[in-house]
Formats: sequence, C-alpha cells, structure tokens
Amino acid sequence: GENVEQHPSTLSVQEGDSAVIKCTYSDSASNYFPWYKQELGKRPQLIIDIRSNVGEKKDQRIAVTLNKTAKHFSLHITETQPEDSAVYFCAALNTGFQKLVFGTGTRLLVSP
Amino acid sequence: EAGVVQSPRYKIIEKKQPVAFWCNPISGHNTLYWYLQNLGQGPELLIRYENEEAVDDSQLPKDRFSAERLKGVDSTLKIQPAELGDSAVYLCASSPGLGGKETQYFGPGTRLLVL
Repeated sequence: GENVEQHPSTLSVQEGDSAVIKCTYSDSASNYFPWYKQELGKRPQLIIDIRSNVGEKKDQRIAVTLNKTAKHFSLHITETQPEDSAVYFCAALNTGFQKLVFGTGTRLLVSP
Repeated sequence: EAGVVQSPRYKIIEKKQPVAFWCNPISGHNTLYWYLQNLGQGPELLIRYENEEAVDDSQLPKDRFSAERLKGVDSTLKIQPAELGDSAVYLCASSPGLGGKETQYFGPGTRLLVL
C-alpha cells in the first residue's frame, strides 16, 4: 500500500519568512495530493491540492509543487503570518485502493 | 453550506464501557469516512461508506468496533468494549460523488478519553 513521509516534524520561522514542508510517497499510482491545515482542537481543513497532471499550483501565499518522477511534493508558504501557525498534513490518494494516506504532520510555528 | 457535524465533541468513559459517535455529513455527499487520529499523527482510515454500503472496512478492528450508515446519510461508529488504547480523536469526513477520489471535508472530531 501507500506510504507517505513528511518532513520536518516541526518548523519555526519568523513572521514574513517562507516555510517549506516536504512529503514523499511510495506508490507511483497515487495521483491526488491534498494538504490540510489543522489548528489545535479543530478539524483538518483543506488548504490546497494538486493532481498528477499538474506540476505546480498556487493560491495567494500558498503553493504546492509535485515531482512525479521523484515521487515527492512540497507545500510552500510565503510571507508567513502568526495565524499560519498550525499542524499541516500532506496526503496521497491511491485511486486504485481509493484510500487517502496521510503524512505524520508538520507543526509550524510563526513567531511575530 | 453546513459542514460535517459530529457529536459528542468530547467523551470520557471507563475501560470496558461502550461508546458511540455520530456523524452527519455535508448534505448531498454520498461518501462518508471514519478516521482515527492519535496524538501527533495524521488521520488513519477506519471505514469508508458509499451511500449505505461499507466499501472499505479493512482497517476497522471488527472485534470491538462497528459502524452503520443505514439510510445512506448519517452514520454511527461504536466501540464495545472500549480499551485504554482507544483514546484518540475520531474524525468523520465526507465527499461528493463516489469512488473516494474527491476532496474530503472533515468534521471537528470526537475526542475520546478511556480511563
């Protein structure tokens, strides 16, 4: 089955800096890669996603890149703000197994 | 549009007691998921329903866990008897359409503590 690894587990940045979170997946059949943001005690919320027919997608300060050959994808947050502080999860969907597999999460702390 | 609703939000029980969680998905969403989230970990799928049919329950510990979605709308997840290791957050999610290929929208979860 699919295995998703996520790094780093924690990330501390100063307000205004950029943050990058990286994930790798094992099954080349995976073709949908969402990113979720989870604030303490709250529900995971989709912030951006990308499908395997696209190499990059951007939404304001957030971008995701996908390298199918290397089987890794990354989340980029520019001009970070304190309200970006949360746990971020990547995930990969293997459409054969129809199962979304999550990474272990990255705790992002943005200091003012 | 109302989001996925779950209740209760918190539950504290003693081990060996039964417990049940309820989920109402986003209106019109055919697929419903139950996930387990341990502290510091990502969600792990327990069961996926397409309408009222459980199409993937391979990760559901069937000796103590059961689930139902009788009318293809809301769903209940039950644990009987609960064990200490069941303490976790139980998340429900839903997605439109079928096949598990679409964006999943999560509920706020039920935080279970087994003493």
